[in-house]
Amino acid sequence: GAGVSQSPSNKVTEKGKDVELRCDPISGHTALYWYRQSLGQGLEFLIYFQGNSAPDKSGLPSDRFSAERTGGSVSTLTIQRTQQEDSAVYLCASSLGGGISYEQYFGPGTRLTVT
Amino acid sequence: AQKITQTQPGMFVQEKEAVTLDCTYDTSDPSYGLFWYKQPSSGEMIFLIYQGSYDQQNATEGRYSLNFQKARKSANLVISASQLGDSAMYFCAMREGTSNTGKLIFGQGTTLQVKP
Repeated sequence: GAGVSQSPSNKVTEKGKDVELRCDPISGHTALYWYRQSLGQGLEFLIYFQGNSAPDKSGLPSDRFSAERTGGSVSTLTIQRTQQEDSAVYLCASSLGGGISYEQYFGPGTRLTVT
Repeated sequence: AQKITQTQPGMFVQEKEAVTLDCTYDTSDPSYGLFWYKQPSSGEMIFLIYQGSYDQQNATEGRYSLNFQKARKSANLVISASQLGDSAMYFCAMREGTSNTGKLIFGQGTTLQVKP
């Protein structure tokens, strides 16, 4: 079956512009996660969705970052007024549930470059 | 606070030999899960192996095994019979069981290079 997909795969934007990153999780997966990976670093948690609600937004670095999920499926991560420090790979993952043993399946990521 | 530490930024191993990648963790939650992921140069994150805190036996998946030492809070990944395709970045991650989120906390990763 289809895995997690993300679009665009690459995005170059000018400082100050807004960007939207999209994630299509695996069908039937109720849990969805956004992570950020800076060059050569580990993954940093941003936000967790269970269905359409976000019980954990603790990783969003500032109020310029927001995310939504609709229909229990597609999620969009929006970054307003982008800054150079926002440059990173943004990874989306989904799992059958939020339970402790559920494996998270990752998408290929969106590489964001802010110039 | 929960934390994952991978102290080996880079490792080399000869093809067909075994290699151990270190991971230590810190949590006060008695229920947690430990994961290892592989990230090749192409960038995708590939799940390798899972160990639950209450599992009595060490997890194994093919050539991957997890050396789980609960008292030492370590969860080292052992790759047997290394192959050239094992060259990648490897991440250890943890999820706490009593939080209301399934988020993973990742270590900084270990880059493994397999020599022919």
